Formats: sequence, structure tokens, C-alpha cells
Amino acid sequence: GQQVMQIPQYQHVQEGEDFTTYCNSSTTLSNIQWYKQRPGGHPVFLIQLVKSGEVKKQKRLTFQFGEAKKNSSLHITATQTTDVGTYFCAGGAGSYQLTFGKGTKLSVIP
Amino acid sequence: DVKVTQSSRYLVKRTGEKVFLECVQDMDHENMFWYRQDPGLGLRLIYFSYDVKMKEKGDIPEGYSVSREKKERFSLILESASTNQTSMYLCASSLTSGRRADTQYFGPGTRLTVL
Repeated sequence: GQQVMQIPQYQHVQEGEDFTTYCNSSTTLSNIQWYKQRPGGHPVFLIQLVKSGEVKKQKRLTFQFGEAKKNSSLHITATQTTDVGTYFCAGGAGSYQLTFGKGTKLSVIP
Repeated sequence: DVKVTQSSRYLVKRTGEKVFLECVQDMDHENMFWYRQDPGLGLRLIYFSYDVKMKEKGDIPEGYSVSREKKERFSLILESASTNQTSMYLCASSLTSGRRADTQYFGPGTRLTVL
């Protein structure tokens, strides 16, 4: 079945440093979504990418979808303590369900 | 705003008990999902339902069953709870967009401990 690999599993950064998490799918995706889970919370939708090579920005967050629609990345510029949490990518392949990566847990040291 | 609610935030049960976890969504979504979340393993799909009375197995259905008698409600049943089912259980719902999987809205989760 479809697999979505996400790296790194953990990332510790100093406040103000940049952060990137990467996702790779074993199959071509129809769309990819990103979710954020704050400590003690539940996953919350951030954004969806659909087109090959698509790039979207939300303030300090930049999301990319690869040309082959098999990989994606989330980059945070100048991290803040409010960015702490686990970031999940989730790939869709034309069905009802999403396949989630295992997530990257981001810690920000003030 | 979409609201997904789960019956309990914390639950403690004994080995062998039958356990019911309830999930309700208020946005008339067709699809509903049950995941379990364990450290280092991410979100693993147990079951999902794309319509009333319809269900599909996810990646880890063993030891679980589900029920969807009404569109807004999706129940997860542990027929005979075991200690390895101690976990965080998350319910989610989504619309059916046709060609691709739509955004999922998650409930707050139920942390189940089986003693």
C-alpha cells in the first residue's frame, strides 16, 4: 500500500533558526496536506497542495509540492516558540483517505 | 466551524472489557475515520466509513470494530480490551470531494488506558 515517509522525526532548534521537514511518498499523490498538532492537542489542518511544483506561503511557513507529486516540504523561517508541535504531512491518492507521515516533532529553545 | 466531539478525554478500562468510543460531527460530513496515535508511530488508520452503515478496514483493524448507524456518529468498539490497545484514539471527519481526499477535521482525542 501507499507509504509516506517523513523526516526528521525530531528537530530541536534555537529560536530564530529555520526549520524544514520533508515528506516522500512511494506513489504519485493527487494532493498533499499538512497538519500541525500542538502539545496535548489534536492535528489541525494547515494547507493543501494539489498542483505539480506548487509553492504556497503562510506568513513564515513555506510549503512545496514536488514536480513529480511524490514529495513535499514545509519550511519555517525564523522559528518562534509558538511553532512548537508536531507537523504531519498527509498524502491523498484519489480515494477518501489520507496516508499520514509519522510526523516531525519540533522543539524551539528560547 | 466544524466541530468533532469525542465522548471521553480520558478512559481507564480493565483487560477483557468491551469498550465503546463515540465520535460525533456536526457538519454533515460523509466520511469519518478512527486513528490511533502512539509515540514514534504517527497516526495509524483503524477504520473509516464513507456513508451510513458502510465501513472499510484501515491499516490496523485487528481487535476493533466500528458502527455507523447515523451520519453524524461513528463508534469504535474494542470487543475485548487488551493492554496493547492503550493509546490515544482520534476521530476525524471529512467531506467527499470526488476526485481527491479532502481536509480532515479531528476531535480532541480519547486517551485510553487498559490495565
